[in-house]
Amino acid sequence: LAKTTQPISMDSYEGQEVNITCSHNNIATNDYITWYQQFPSQGPRFIIQGYKTKVTNEVASLFIPADRKSSTLSLPRVSLSDTAVYYCLVGDRDRDDKIIFGKGTRLHILP
Amino acid sequence: EAQVTQNPRYLITVTGKKLTVTCSQNMNHEYMSWYRQDPGLGLRQIYYSMNVEVTDKGDVPEGYKVSRKEKRNFPLILESPSPNQTSLYFCASSLRGRRLTEAFFGQGTRLTVV
Repeated sequence: LAKTTQPISMDSYEGQEVNITCSHNNIATNDYITWYQQFPSQGPRFIIQGYKTKVTNEVASLFIPADRKSSTLSLPRVSLSDTAVYYCLVGDRDRDDKIIFGKGTRLHILP
Repeated sequence: EAQVTQNPRYLITVTGKKLTVTCSQNMNHEYMSWYRQDPGLGLRQIYYSMNVEVTDKGDVPEGYKVSRKEKRNFPLILESPSPNQTSLYFCASSLRGRRLTEAFFGQGTRLTVV
């Protein structure tokens, strides 16, 4: 599985757009990029997954440049309830390998 | 409602007393796994199972056992718990071949070993 690097923590304000970047220089051809969100004392929750270019759903957008060595999770107009830890995972979704969560990015939204 | 159910939610036990944390999913998922989460260390995988009777070690399997006799259940067994196994534990499940697409996590079990 490709190793990922994310900022340890970020602060932002309510109503702002937040972008969290994940670096994955060793991403393989078959690897997908997946993001999870975790609130304190709860299990992680799937947010979004993508392979290339841009993916958008009701929660977030995921931007992946052509070389795929990094990706950016974009949260539009955040609120206090978006305060959580965000994990970037990279791997082949069709292989039965163990899934590795890094330490994630602790996002703190301020009023 | 699609869910992963863990029991108990909270457990305090003494060193050496065998315990089992149960995990059950109602989505007919083939892939299930256990994680522990400790401050500053993030989520670490303990064991995972690709199907009934198929299990494999994750990153931190020492001191744990698992079994997968039925598709829906994946219990975590601590034969002789020690204080360093005090942690927050999560069970997860996902579709085979699409594990990273959307894994569902349980609500967590907070274990304290004294």
